[in-house]
Amino acid sequence: DQQVKQNSPSLSVQEGRISILNCDYTNSMFDYFLWYKKYPAEGPTFLISISSIKDKNEDGRFTVFLNKSAKHLSLHIVPSQPGDSAVYFCAASGDGGSNYKLTFGKGTLLTVNP
Amino acid sequence: NAGVMQNPRHLVRRRGQEARLRCSPMKGHSHVYWYRQLPEEGLKFMVYLQKENIIDESGMPKERFSAEFPKEGPSILRIQQVVRGDSAAYFCASSTGPNNEQFFGPGTRLTVL
Repeated sequence: DQQVKQNSPSLSVQEGRISILNCDYTNSMFDYFLWYKKYPAEGPTFLISISSIKDKNEDGRFTVFLNKSAKHLSLHIVPSQPGDSAVYFCAASGDGGSNYKLTFGKGTLLTVNP
Repeated sequence: NAGVMQNPRHLVRRRGQEARLRCSPMKGHSHVYWYRQLPEEGLKFMVYLQKENIIDESGMPKERFSAEFPKEGPSILRIQQVVRGDSAAYFCASSTGPNNEQFFGPGTRLTVL
């Protein structure tokens, strides 16, 4: 059973435009959500996170929105840059009080075209 | 300020052999986590270790897999009698505490022939 779902395997956007990556989850026990970025042949790198007590968190060009009632979160990148091209993983934690156990989605490959 | 190091980066084994994957956490980190990424899947938690202790191994297969994090030296993920289904990328992460940010290594890609 997949508790964190990223239904879009890939997304292509033009440089300067907005990239929106979506993520859905099924486990209502999750209370902390993270986005990781991964380049080929490297490990995932933490990007931004949000606690379930918030509905928005912003860090520079990156904003994460959380809709708890819909069990949905999204990552907005504005403006998108070619260097943002990577696989983006949505992850969640908090099930059973174990914040260290991250549950990942399958990832979305973002391509930003110059 | 080296990050999390994993070796080897690529490992090829024949069915029935043993695979040993090593992970050196970031300096100052005493908490280590192992994740496995099967083809076309997301990363899946396997085990959480602190120095000399296994804290949570709920994600690790009950047979053939074991992990350790000795007082000295790297953390080791050991897979005995490998099968083709073990082919995957194995990522190690480390942190300063169980609720703190996890920093990931570059992974070891295991291929079982």
